[in-house]
Amino acid sequence: GENVEQHPSTLSVQEGDSAVIKCTYSDSASNYFPWYKQELGKRPQLIIDIRSNVGEKKDQRIAVTLNKTAKHFSLHITETQPEDSAVYFCAASIGGLVFGTGTRLLVSP
Amino acid sequence: DTEVTQTPKHLVMGMTNKKSLKCEQHMGHRAMYWYKQKAKKPPELMFVYSYEKLSINESVPSRFSPECPNSSLLNLHLHALQPEDSALYLCASRQVAGGYTFGSGTRLTVV
Repeated sequence: GENVEQHPSTLSVQEGDSAVIKCTYSDSASNYFPWYKQELGKRPQLIIDIRSNVGEKKDQRIAVTLNKTAKHFSLHITETQPEDSAVYFCAASIGGLVFGTGTRLLVSP
Repeated sequence: DTEVTQTPKHLVMGMTNKKSLKCEQHMGHRAMYWYKQKAKKPPELMFVYSYEKLSINESVPSRFSPECPNSSLLNLHLHALQPEDSALYLCASRQVAGGYTFGSGTRLTVV
């Protein structure tokens, strides 16, 4: 089955810096790659997604890139703010969503 | 209606109890999912229903029994659970090739 690896597990940045989180997946049949932000005790919240026929997608301060050949995708957050602090999960979709292990992002003022 | 509604929000049950979790959506999504999430871990896929038929069971113990009575409703029947089954149970739905919509979850505690 699909296996998704995510790095780093924790990421501390200063407000205004950029943050990058990377994921790799194993099943080349996966065709949908969302990113979720999850705050303590709440549901995962979709922040951006990308499909396998697209290499890059941007939404304001957030961008995602996908390299199908290498089977990896990355989340880029620019101009980070304290309210960006949360756990971020990448995921790959084949049948159902398979999640990465998560990255705890801490943005210090 | 663009939401997935899960009830109850919180549930405490004994190891000999039988209880059910409910998930409902009225977006016309034909795929529905159960996930289990332990603290500080990612959600883990349990079951997938596609057009009201069980299509994926990720080797979940039989004390968890899913049911999809119609295209809008998904249940998870619980029986003889163990304390280690305590977790946040998330339901999600998806239109064909669309994004996933998650419910707010049921926080289950087994005592």
